[in-house]
Amino acid sequence: AQSVTQPDIHITVSEGASLELRCNYSYGATPYLFWYVQSPGQGLQLLLKYFSGDTLVQGIKGFEAEFKRSQSSFNLRKPSVHWSDAAEYFCAVGRMDSSYKLIFGSGTRLLVRP
Amino acid sequence: AAGVIQSPRHLIKEKRETATLKCYPIPRHDTVYWYQQGPGQDPQFLISFYEKMQSDKGSIPDRFSAQQFSDYHSELNMSSLELGDSALYFCASSLGQGLYEQYFGPGTRLTVT
Repeated sequence: AQSVTQPDIHITVSEGASLELRCNYSYGATPYLFWYVQSPGQGLQLLLKYFSGDTLVQGIKGFEAEFKRSQSSFNLRKPSVHWSDAAEYFCAVGRMDSSYKLIFGSGTRLLVRP
Repeated sequence: AAGVIQSPRHLIKEKRETATLKCYPIPRHDTVYWYQQGPGQDPQFLISFYEKMQSDKGSIPDRFSAQQFSDYHSELNMSSLELGDSALYFCASSLGQGLYEQYFGPGTRLTVT
């Protein structure tokens, strides 16, 4: 069965520091991977997605992620975090069967120290 | 740009009551997904529709039903509400089924007392 694991429940970084959020997936075929961000009380906004091709994908707000098939990982990175990046981040895999529904990880809450 | 609209944004119901959540997809989007996010949980897929037909079903209780109408808007009907149904309900839409981005609405927060 497909699954997505985000091993870090909370991460705290200082403003201006670099960030890496981990995501590991379990999927038998080529995965379709996404990172979403959710601010408190808000909906989910897509940061970036990987379908195929270049394994380093660029997203909005200065985020990037790298797909590593050998490690079954799709880690999210940002070189310099801003206070406004504080939010919940969800990694998701899209199922390619009947509906392409998304399977989400449990999320990582990012706290940013001033 | 137009986004996914969900109404109402907040809903308070008592146990055993019914609730109807509405979702208006982005214009020309023909696929709708419903997700449920419990407190501190990740979103869980409930049900999806493509071209007004149910395309997939997840962990949706039998007390819940949904449909997609001719104008592609969708409604999630919830009966005999339980305390455990309190959650944030998201609707997402996409242009077709497949490797298309799902655009999420702001969600409806349902509180059952």
